Order: sequence, then structure tokens, then C-alpha cells
Amino acid sequence: AQSVTQLGSHVSVSEGALVLLRCNYSSSVPPYLFWYVQYPNQGLQLLLKYTSAATLVKGINGFEAEFKKSETSFHLTKPSAHMSDAAEYFCAVSDQAGNQFYFGTGTSLTVIP
Amino acid sequence: NAGVTQTPKFQVLKTGQSMTLQCAQDMNHEYMSWYRQDPGMGLRLIHYSVGAGITDQGEVPNGYNVSRSTTEDFPLRLLSAAPSQTSVYFCASSYSRASYEQYFGPGTRLTVT
Repeated sequence: AQSVTQLGSHVSVSEGALVLLRCNYSSSVPPYLFWYVQYPNQGLQLLLKYTSAATLVKGINGFEAEFKKSETSFHLTKPSAHMSDAAEYFCAVSDQAGNQFYFGTGTSLTVIP
Repeated sequence: NAGVTQTPKFQVLKTGQSMTLQCAQDMNHEYMSWYRQDPGMGLRLIHYSVGAGITDQGEVPNGYNVSRSTTEDFPLRLLSAAPSQTSVYFCASSYSRASYEQYFGPGTRLTVT
């Protein structure tokens, strides 16, 4: 089965600082990769997804992620954190058929004013 | 469009009771899925469906049943609730497969005592 590992269950950054959330996947074949965001007491919302079209993927709210096959990584970045970015972020991978999703354990982002 | 709706928002059950969590979507999506979210474990797939009349098991299907008689509805049944099923449950749908963007409902918080 596919799996993803998110390093760091809690990340704190100052407002205006770089956001870096780490995700590594386990797969011998490049899968479909996703980042989702969850605001308190809400469902998940898609930030961005990688589907082999381009290794640098741009998403909503200024976030982007780079697919690195050699490192089996799909880290999420944002150049300048805003207070509104405080949320839980999940990396996910789908199986090759696209029917099953495997989520990471999540990273809670705190933005310090 | 209402998107993905879930009822109820909160539920408390006693051990051994049964209940059905409702999920509906009005986007004519073929793919629907159920996840449970537990602290420190991310989201785990319970069951999914790729169309009316077709369902399959996900990562943690034990103790749950599903059926898909219409495109719009995908109820999740707990036949005999156990404390281990205390969790937040999310329903999601996507156009055809999980590899497309999934739209999540607001969740149902279930407590089994």
C-alpha cells in the first residue's frame, strides 16, 4: 500500500516568514500526490495536486509544492506566512487506480504575529 | 449547489447501538468515500464507491457497512457501535476517482460510550 510521512506534527513560523511543510511518500512509481488544508471544525479543502504534468505545482493561497522523485518528496512551501494560514495540513497519495487515498498524519501550522 | 452534506453533525451512542451517518452530494459525482479522522492518525479510508451499485473496502472497513443505491447518497452504517469507533467522520466526493479533487463534507463527530 502507498503511504506518506509528514515530518513534524507541529510547525510554528512568524508572520511573513517562509512556510515549509515536509512530506515524503513511499512508491516505486510516481503517484498522484496532494496537499489538503483543514481549518478548525471544517472539512478538508484541496490546496494543490501533482499529476505528473509538472514537478512544481502551484496551488491556492500562494502555496506551492515541488515533486522530487529522487528524494520521494513533495514538500509544501509558501514564501510569506499570513495569520490566516494557521490550520492543519495533510499530505496524501492515491493508489495507481486513483480509488484509494492515503493521508499523512498531518502538520499543525501556527503563525506567530 | 450545497456541495457535500452530512447529517447529523454530532451524535452520542451507547455501545451496541446502531446508526446511519448520512451523506449526500448534488454535484453528480461518481466517486464517493468515507473517512474517519483520529488524533495523530490523519484520515483513514473506510469505504468508497465509484458509482451507484458499486462499493469497495478501504483501509479500515471493519464494523462499517455502506451501500450506494443512487448517485447522490452514500450512507455509512454502524451495526453495533464500539468505543473504538469514537471519531470524526468525513464524507467526500469527486468527479470520477479519488485522483481528482475530492470535496469534503463538514463532518460528523461521533462519541460511543
